[in-house]
Amino acid sequence: GAVVSQHPSRVICKSGTSVKIECRSLDFQATTMFWYRQFPKQSLMLMATSNEGSKATYEQGVEKDKFLINHASLTLSTLTVTSAHPEDSSFYICSARDGSLESADEQFFGPGTRLTVL
Amino acid sequence: QKEVEQNSGPLSVPEGAIASLNCTYSDRGSQSFFWYRQYSGKSPELIMFIYSNGDKEDGRFTAQLNKASQYVSLLIRDSQPSDSATYLCAVNNFGNEKLTFGTGTRLTIIP
Repeated sequence: GAVVSQHPSRVICKSGTSVKIECRSLDFQATTMFWYRQFPKQSLMLMATSNEGSKATYEQGVEKDKFLINHASLTLSTLTVTSAHPEDSSFYICSARDGSLESADEQFFGPGTRLTVL
Repeated sequence: QKEVEQNSGPLSVPEGAIASLNCTYSDRGSQSFFWYRQYSGKSPELIMFIYSNGDKEDGRFTAQLNKASQYVSLLIRDSQPSDSATYLCAVNNFGNEKLTFGTGTRLTIIP
């Protein structure tokens, strides 16, 4: 099956610093990648959708200048949380679509990155 | 009204019994439906997807879709303790890349 990796799996940083999270599709080309955030005991909240070579589409209420998304290739997307604050502490999960599949709507999820901002 | 609704649970089922998880959705234009399983502290993993009305079986799992009633369910036969997790229902329209997730149902299989 399609494999999506994320790095780092866990990060602890000081308030005001920036954190970059990488999402890679390992064995397929991801036409679209998605970034989600999940707070404890809550469901996934879509933050943005990114397509290779174009600007990300952010969901309402998500600050594009704070959550920078770069989708430089068909296998790599990055999310940078700029000037992180404690309220940004969350579980960040990326997913990717393989447009070549019959079930092209299916999203394959990365293992997630747990961010803790002190 | 939420777009995708699930009973948050917890739903407790004895080991070996059938677990039944339900999901309703509000958008009649929805075309594809997914069930994901999420263990605590982990990311979701796909169990099944279904596009057409009726049943779709995969091992111990059966997805059921009724578009007229805007209802999709997941049955887990011969429930195992390892099935204890949160189950997320997700819905998509063709032409829309995004999945809309429900809040999930927490399932506990009791040994």
